[in-house]
Amino acid sequence: QITLKESGPTLVKPSQTLTLTCTFSGFSVSTNGVAVGWIRQPPGKALEWLALIYWDDDKRYSPSLKNRISITKDTSKNQVVLTMTNMDPGDTATYYCAHSLVDVVSAVTFDIWGQGTLVTVSS
Amino acid sequence: DMQMTQSPSSVSASVGDRVTITCRASQSISSWLAWYQQKPGKAPRLLIYAASNLQSGVPSRFSGSGSGTEFTLTISSLQPEDFATYYCQQTNTFPVITFGQGTRLEIK
Repeated sequence: QITLKESGPTLVKPSQTLTLTCTFSGFSVSTNGVAVGWIRQPPGKALEWLALIYWDDDKRYSPSLKNRISITKDTSKNQVVLTMTNMDPGDTATYYCAHSLVDVVSAVTFDIWGQGTLVTVSS
Repeated sequence: DMQMTQSPSSVSASVGDRVTITCRASQSISSWLAWYQQKPGKAPRLLIYAASNLQSGVPSRFSGSGSGTEFTLTISSLQPEDFATYYCQQTNTFPVITFGQGTRLEIK
């Protein structure tokens, strides 16, 4: 059974750096075809994809945020970490991590999601 | 930039109704499309992948169709638990992964 859980601060100040950790079980992020992504959702608004890391350490970023975010993985700890710099109140959102099996048919489809963690940016 | 546009933004329907939600891509994405259901306070749930494939455990009243730039999600006979917000997602990472703006399905 695959599970993912996000952890990190619930409140950050403007201009600070946010570090979120996705801890998972039931799969290895080094297995061929596996990817883990981060998606966020501001209160009452739509989902926004942020970043993705593949089993081979290839990475993809949202163009609108690529100068502020980075994604890394720690295979031994079963964790994927998202870092976002220069946080702004507009970054207030629920942040989700999600699992994907990547193939030529479904590409990157997020089949299992974490419960999400609400991050508020305020002074 | 790749854009995914859903219509309608919201729809009211009754239990037992047939409902169709449309998602249009700004450029062809072949069949690289997924549909998700999200209930308030919960994470999204994958319903359909590769435009028309039903995810394991999802009721057969949900179906997806389309290719290229136009896609539909159909719920054949609405059940009370189907009232939620639905999102489409372009699943090819080139150039980027993009979600639609969501369609809120409400009880009439």
